[in-house]
Amino acid sequence: DSGVTQTPKHLITATGQRVTLRCSPRSGDLSVYWYQQSLDQGLQFLIQYYNGEERAKGNILERFSAQQFPDLHSELNLSSLELGDSALYFCASSVASVADSSGANVLTFGAGSRLTVL
Amino acid sequence: AQKITQTQPGMFVQEKEAVTLDCTYDTSDPSYGLFWYKQPSSGEMIFLIYQGSYDQQNATEGRYSLNFQKARKSANLVISASQLGDSAMYFCAMREDRSGGSYIPTFGRGTSLIVHP
Repeated sequence: DSGVTQTPKHLITATGQRVTLRCSPRSGDLSVYWYQQSLDQGLQFLIQYYNGEERAKGNILERFSAQQFPDLHSELNLSSLELGDSALYFCASSVASVADSSGANVLTFGAGSRLTVL
Repeated sequence: AQKITQTQPGMFVQEKEAVTLDCTYDTSDPSYGLFWYKQPSSGEMIFLIYQGSYDQQNATEGRYSLNFQKARKSANLVISASQLGDSAMYFCAMREDRSGGSYIPTFGRGTSLIVHP
């Protein structure tokens, strides 16, 4: 158990629908990252939050949005779903937004939420 | 432009032998970090090892070592004494510093490693 909790583990829905993926970061971690993993695109960075504020945006579609709440959990909202949105969505957390004194700032990943859009 | 390149889609190794997984990167930033993650068939991403660009020595973590060749911009992962449980996808990633002090790892496409008994 990595300490990063993602729910649900699996989700099957239809095109046009909206889903919410939830992530609880590891205790003490302030930063949350969302990644999308698909066969054709690999592991793509979507968005990062640090202590409740958006810090960086990647290849996140306008149909997708996210937020980090005061208790530091985060939610990724996916709307108007398309077949191509089927993927494994990872949440990861780290202590800091910037590299720590060792330069690492290792990301700890959750087990992922597998979304299937039919 | 692709910042992390893993040219080996698949690798096979005999149990107890060593294997090297290749990774090359592209950056003009003098300060950067390189990571390797393992993704077994169960799907989770597991951190293995980290190398900072200013680190003088190659990083090691148990059976994992990182062969860091800065001039060649390569950061190959060496797994010694392979075990059946090492069968997984392996991802190389590079820390990318963003404005505002953020830090975002960019991942390569991965290499599938299969360990044969």
